[in-house]
Order: sequence, then C-alpha cells, then structure tokens
Amino acid sequence: LAKTTQPISMDSYEGQEVNITCSHNNIATNDYITWYQQFPSQGPRFIIQGYKTKVTNEVASLFIPADRKSSTLSLPRVSLSDTAVYYCLVATLSGGYNKLIFGAGTRLAVHP
Amino acid sequence: GAGVSQSPSNKVTEKGKDVELRCDPISGHTALYWYRQRLGQGLEFLIYFQGNSAPDKSGLPSDRFSAERTGESVSTLTIQRTQQEDSAVYLCASSPQTGDDEQFFGPGTRLTVL
Repeated sequence: LAKTTQPISMDSYEGQEVNITCSHNNIATNDYITWYQQFPSQGPRFIIQGYKTKVTNEVASLFIPADRKSSTLSLPRVSLSDTAVYYCLVATLSGGYNKLIFGAGTRLAVHP
Repeated sequence: GAGVSQSPSNKVTEKGKDVELRCDPISGHTALYWYRQRLGQGLEFLIYFQGNSAPDKSGLPSDRFSAERTGESVSTLTIQRTQQEDSAVYLCASSPQTGDDEQFFGPGTRLTVL
C-alpha cells in the first residue's frame, strides 16, 4: 500500500490561497489520490479525488503531475472555517474495495 | 438526508468491562467501515463489511475486538475486556458500493477507558 508524506502543519491567513503538497512515491497504476478534511470532534469529510492532471470542484483543486508521485491540494481564498486537518490518501483497491490508509494529516490553521 | 449516525457519542468505562458501539449507515449504502483514531493521530482501519460477503477483519488489533453487521444495516463494534490503550474515537463510515467511492463518516464515539 502506497504511503503518503505531507507537512505536519501549515499556517495561513484569511483570503490567501493555500497549497498542501503530498508525496506518494510508491503509488500504483490503479491507485487514486483522495483528500479528506476533518474538523475537531467530527468524522473526516471527502474533499476531492483525482487520478492525474487537474481536478476542480466547488471546494478545491487537485493538481497531479504526470509521474503521479506527488499531488497538491489547493484551497482558494481560505477562511477561518477552513481550519482543519487535511488528509492525503492513496486509495487502493484491495480485495475489491477502497481501503483508505490515513496518515497523521496536515493541520491547517487559518488566522484573521 | 440523514447521514451516518453513531451511538453513544461518548462512553466512559472501567478497565476490563465490555463495550458495544453502534453505527447506523446511510440507507442504501452497502459498504461499511470501522476506524479507530487515537488523539492527534490519523485513522486506523479496523474492519470492512460489504453486503453479504465475508468481512475484511485485517485491521482488528486483537481478538478482543469484533464487529457484526446485519445485512446492509446497523453494525456494532464490540470490545471485550477493555484496556486503557483502547481509549480513542471510533469512527464508522459507509459508501454506496465498493471501488473508489467516497466514504461518508459518522461523528464517532469517544471511548475512554479508566
């Protein structure tokens, strides 16, 4: 199973763009890159998922280079409510289902 | 619509007691997962259910841990003879089916073993 490495913590200010980079050097051909967000005392929430190139939704963008050994989650114009832990996962189909391996995540603190 | 619900939200127990945690998945979701999250850490996979197939129990840390699911509905996670290291938040998630589907998480049950 591919292991991911991401910064332990990041700080930003309201209105700035935040980019969180994750490395996954051992990603396999069939693996997807998935990001989850977790607020204190809540379960994680799916943000975005991609296989390669760029994916954008109403919340974030995900940039994946051609070699897929890393990915960058981009949060445009963050607000205080974006303060959370962000998990980068490589979703591996194992035994026919999506086995998510969570690391420690990146703690993002957004300041006024 | 209703999301994944878990009960109780908090459970305090004494070392050596058994506890039972409940998860109600989103209606129609065939896949159900249990995770454990220790303070300040990421989630550890515990067990996976998919329909009537045999569950994947590869993440259960010891034989004190077991889980059941009736069809595609409620699941219970049981921890026997609890130990202090079992203290954590236990999260349940469900998804519509297998594959690369998004998992929808419940709020978790915070277990404290004294």
